[in-house]
Parts: sequence; structure tokens; C-alpha cells
Amino acid sequence: AQRVTQPEKLLSVFKGAPVELKCNYSYSGSPELFWYVQYSRQRLQLLLRHISRESIKGFTADLNKGETSFHLKKPFAQEEDSAMYYCALSGSGNTGKLIFGQGTTLQVKP
Amino acid sequence: DGGITQSPKYLFRKEGQNVTLSCEQNLNHDAMYWYRQDPGQGLRLIYYSQIVNDFQKGDIAEGYSVSREKKESFPLTVTSAQKNPTAFYLCASSITGANVLTFGAGSRLTVL
Repeated sequence: AQRVTQPEKLLSVFKGAPVELKCNYSYSGSPELFWYVQYSRQRLQLLLRHISRESIKGFTADLNKGETSFHLKKPFAQEEDSAMYYCALSGSGNTGKLIFGQGTTLQVKP
Repeated sequence: DGGITQSPKYLFRKEGQNVTLSCEQNLNHDAMYWYRQDPGQGLRLIYYSQIVNDFQKGDIAEGYSVSREKKESFPLTVTSAQKNPTAFYLCASSITGANVLTFGAGSRLTVL
């Protein structure tokens, strides 16, 4: 069964500290993985996708097929990074059907 | 100003009543989706449509219905058969074949 697991409901760090938001997935084929972010009073929006292999707002994520993980990392957290982060998976077929994890709230304290 | 418009933003309903949530997009996207967002459960897919006059059930379609008569519109009806309808509902759209979704601002439904 396809599943995305984000083990942490809340991650609280101080400004300037490194951040790692964990995401593990279960999928038998070759998935496409995404991170979506929802800032306070804003719409849910795409942060990054694994096939782009780019850094957005200082965040990076590497797909580890061996560990079936797609953790989101940032070396130095900023207060404006505080938001709800969702990891999502798309299976084969480019249907646009995304399976989302439970979400992790990142709180960056001053 | 392109995007997805959901209405109403807040809606209250008495038990036993059906209610319809509106979703309109002017992005010329073929595919549209309805997700339900509950605390601690993430987003769960209710229905999706990849083309006009066609739609498929998602993971939690029971108690919901949709229509797709126009490319721009994908309304969701929450029926009285939905056991726990109080939730935040998100509409999204995408280009067919792409897995990047554009989301609306959401509609919060409360059943009294």
C-alpha cells in the first residue's frame, strides 16, 4: 500500500539551528516525492520536488530509495520558516493524485 | 489574477442537511481535486477529475459527491450520509500529466 509517514507532529528549534523534517514512504514502484508548505494564513504551496534537485529557501531534500526516505533539511533555520510542512508522494502514471503525510509543524524560536 | 477560488470560506450546517462547496479555477488546468484536511491526519483525497464530465473516487469518497460539467468548476457536495463532515476542505488543480498541485484557500465546514 502507498503510504507517507511524517513521524513528528511538532518540531521546535531555535533560530540558526539545523532543521531536519523526516519523511518516510512506502511504495513498490518509482515514486515522485514532494514537500508542500503552508505558512500561517497562506495557501498550501509546493516547496520542492525531488526530480528538480534544487534548493528552495535554503531547503533541500534527497530521495533515499534504500531507506525509502525524503527528509527535508535546512542548515540554519529562520523564524519565517515556521509553518506546517507536508511530505507527499505520487505513484506511477502522473495522475496528479498525491498521498500526503500527516504533516509536521515547524516552530522556529527567536 | 489567476488562481483557484473556493467559497464559502466558512459554512455552518445542521445535521441532516446537504451542503455544496464551490471551487472555480481560471488556470486552464484540466485536472481538479478535493482534499479533506484534519489535524493529525494530513490531507486525504475525496474525489478527483482529470477531464470534464469524468471523475474518480479518492480514498474517502463515501458521503460526498461531485460534478465536473465545466473545466473551470468542480463543486463538492457533502451529503447527510457523511458521518463526520466537520473539516477543512481544500480544492486543487493541476495540468494533466503534472504532479504539481495549485491549492485554493479552503472552506471550513462546521456541522452543528
